[in-house]
Amino acid sequence: NAGVTQTPKFQVLKTGQSMTLQCAQDMNHEYMSWYRQDPGMGLRLIHYSVGAGITDQGEVPNGYNVSRSTTEDFPLRLLSAAPSQTSVYFCASSPLRRDTGELFFGEGSRLTVL
Amino acid sequence: SQKIEQNSEALNIQEGKTATLTCNYTNYSPAYLQWYRQDPGRGPVFLLLIRENEKEKRKERLKVTFDTTLKQSLFHITASQPADSATYLCALDRGSTLGRLYFGRGTQLTVWP
Repeated sequence: NAGVTQTPKFQVLKTGQSMTLQCAQDMNHEYMSWYRQDPGMGLRLIHYSVGAGITDQGEVPNGYNVSRSTTEDFPLRLLSAAPSQTSVYFCASSPLRRDTGELFFGEGSRLTVL
Repeated sequence: SQKIEQNSEALNIQEGKTATLTCNYTNYSPAYLQWYRQDPGRGPVFLLLIRENEKEKRKERLKVTFDTTLKQSLFHITASQPADSATYLCALDRGSTLGRLYFGRGTQLTVWP
């Protein structure tokens, strides 16, 4: 199993450009989520999904869109990038069970917006 | 909203000693609390989960305690090694929304020989 795979690993954008961060998992997990991590701050939840066709907002959803058309994929879209979106983005997945709940993280996508 | 505080940004200890990291939270009582390890340039890796009705959980050299009265979790690494050097994150949920975890900022642990 590859686990959680994120692409690209590094990306530089200009203000106003759009892009999609890709996330795929091969563990058949129902739950998938996107976090951003900034220096001196904890991981902050952007959007999450509890299954195909179901998405919901996290703590910091503004400026980001998501969709979940399959169990495996959960892309994060930046429609008009801003310098404030410079961050490291992590995708995570989990089996949707109360007795576990541990998250499996990807290796991160490092985004710089100029 | 839920606030999570980890005792310090950095902790330096000598090899062989026990490292103790603290996670305090306010507001809601979580159904469970988790600890993760994060190495530079990598994604967090799950270590331990402890439920609200559990006082203590152990895994090899790791021990986690959970005091819902104090709203605090302690994370211990016994017989610490330089390879334990990393950032440790605590995360908790409310239990009402599966998978929605709140993370602390982390404590950077350095174990020197």
